[in-house]
Amino acid sequence: EAGVAQSPRYKIIEKRQSVAFWCNPISGHATLYWYQQILGQGPKLLIQFQNNGVVDDSQLPKDRFSAERLKGVDSTLKIQPAKLEDSAVYLCASSFGGGSYEQYFGPGTRLTVT
Amino acid sequence: ELKVEQNPLFLSMQEGKNYTIYCNYSTTSDRLYWYRQDPGKSLESLFVLLSNGAVKQEGRLMASLDTKARLSTLHITAAVHDLSATYFCAVMNYGGSQGNLIFGKGTKLSVKP
Repeated sequence: EAGVAQSPRYKIIEKRQSVAFWCNPISGHATLYWYQQILGQGPKLLIQFQNNGVVDDSQLPKDRFSAERLKGVDSTLKIQPAKLEDSAVYLCASSFGGGSYEQYFGPGTRLTVT
Repeated sequence: ELKVEQNPLFLSMQEGKNYTIYCNYSTTSDRLYWYRQDPGKSLESLFVLLSNGAVKQEGRLMASLDTKARLSTLHITAAVHDLSATYFCAVMNYGGSQGNLIFGKGTKLSVKP
């Protein structure tokens, strides 16, 4: 079974530029999560989708971050404009269902904002 | 608001020694996960603990959960270099509509010969 795929793996941009990350979850997984992991910290949930609907985006900085999952499969996370403090690893995870189902994590995208 | 605290944050061990990582959380939950993360890699699930008194073991690692004390432990027996990694506990938070994971800051374990 293929795991969660993410691209790109690394990205370096200057502040005020925009960037987008892509995630393809495990086949059949209805729930998709985006996490932000700042160096030296644990992952923090940014947004959770159930199929193509948003379940929780309470910690997403909506003035600069956006995410979509149009067909209930792939998802993109966008940052526009980026700030220095957005430098982090962005992890995508998926699960069969929400809540108590186990989450499987992708390899992450390491973003550096200079 | 659910908070998760791990200690220690850094742990340097000698091979062959035993040690315990602690994970405390602030509000009631019935589900706790332990993950391992190697440098530059993603999170690998180690254990899922679902009930009070749950104990799971895999190789040199053993995890336990005390929901009354809101405490989980990850015990390392006779450490070997291959166990060097960062270990995270994550607690299920049911404050949202479907629940989400709240992670601790992680414990960076270094096992030296």
